[in-house]
Amino acid sequence: EDKVVQSPLSLVVHEGDTVTLNCSYEVTNFRSLLWYKQEKKAPTFLFMLTSSGIEKKSGRLSSILDKKELFSILNITATQTGDSAIYLCAVYLGNTGKLIFGQGTTLQVKP
Amino acid sequence: DADVTQTPRNRITKTGKRIMLECSQTKGHDRMYWYRQDPGLGLRLIYYSFDVKDINKGEISDGYSVSRQAQAKFSLSLESAIPNQTALYFCATSDFGFSGTGKETQYFGPGTRLLVL
Repeated sequence: EDKVVQSPLSLVVHEGDTVTLNCSYEVTNFRSLLWYKQEKKAPTFLFMLTSSGIEKKSGRLSSILDKKELFSILNITATQTGDSAIYLCAVYLGNTGKLIFGQGTTLQVKP
Repeated sequence: DADVTQTPRNRITKTGKRIMLECSQTKGHDRMYWYRQDPGLGLRLIYYSFDVKDINKGEISDGYSVSRQAQAKFSLSLESAIPNQTALYFCATSDFGFSGTGKETQYFGPGTRLLVL
């Protein structure tokens, strides 16, 4: 059974902290891994990762994929209250085109 | 204007009622998806459609049906709603290709919040 597992499920930090969110996967036909940020509305796209070891970066957010160990991390440095959201990890299956989501990590950044 | 729209945005219904959630997109994508989101469970795929003539069951299709009326429209029906179908429902589209073009992003609608009493 294809599955995507995120950890931790929830996290509370203070502004300025650095956080690392984890996503591990076990799937039969990996194509790519995607990270989304969801506030009080629909998920918005952050990163798509297809190759191991290549860091994707966008401002204070960065992400990397390890296809040997089957996981990805999402780092957020110098967190701000606006980073409070649910962060979703999903894996695209190459054979079916389906997207399998993890449970999400709920991040709360306190002032 | 939003690229992916869902109607209604909120709905309260009673057990046993039939309801339809509608999704429209102006992105010109072939692929459309219906998900439900429950706290602690993430997004789970209900049905997906790769084109107008192609409908596929997802992880949790029992109790749901879909109709792809046109490339731009994909409707989700609950034939006889039950309380455990209370959830946030998302429609999404993508122009995913198998050629490695990198166009593998899904675009989500704003969601429909459904409460079944």
